[in-house]
Amino acid sequence: EVQLVESGGGLVQPGGSLKLSCAASGFTFSGSAMHWVRQASGKGLEWIGRIRTKANSYATAYAESVKGRFTISRDDSKNTAYLQMNSLKTEDTAVYYCIRQGQQLVFDYWGQGTLVTVSS
Amino acid sequence: DIVMTQSPDSLAVSLGERATINCKSRQSVLYSSNNKNYLAWYQQRPGQPPKLLIYWASTRESGVPDRFSGSGSGTDFTLTISSLQAEDVAVYYCQQYYNSWTFGQGTKVEIK
Repeated sequence: EVQLVESGGGLVQPGGSLKLSCAASGFTFSGSAMHWVRQASGKGLEWIGRIRTKANSYATAYAESVKGRFTISRDDSKNTAYLQMNSLKTEDTAVYYCIRQGQQLVFDYWGQGTLVTVSS
Repeated sequence: DIVMTQSPDSLAVSLGERATINCKSRQSVLYSSNNKNYLAWYQQRPGQPPKLLIYWASTRESGVPDRFSGSGSGTDFTLTISSLQAEDVAVYYCQQYYNSWTFGQGTKVEIK
């Protein structure tokens, strides 16, 4: 069974940093691109970024709203993806989901999400 | 970015009746070399993460009931729930994956 478990969310002050983790199991993690999507309370879904596999040079891509502030990485030996968030703003407050990109290029498995609150 | 616009924002449908959600992309998401529309639909029930329903505009994900169907091509797409069940109460999102990834704003489906 595919499982994605996010952790690391919490309360952080504006301008601060936070690093989220996504522990994967039940599939060949090293063979899958991984994405992060966020959802502010009562709002829609916003794609944050993606990291490809080693075969694709771990290439990353980011939404303009987070480019230069957020960094996605992965450790295939630990079956874990990460989202490093710096220079956080109040508008970054959201539930952050870790997602597997499936063979059909879509988001076929989602974690339960972790809440990040940016507030003073 | 390709902007995705859904309509309506919400709709209320009686149990057993048809629900139709529209999704329009600002530019075509049809890739001519393989004739595939890079359009997916997701369902998000209250308190849950989204769940993949349909990809390539009309291919149902494994395990998705056949009352869910997708249609359309190019810039205009539709998700149809042929006979609404209580468990279908959710917000539905379309997503393009032709160029990066963007979602529509969501359509909330409720029981009338």
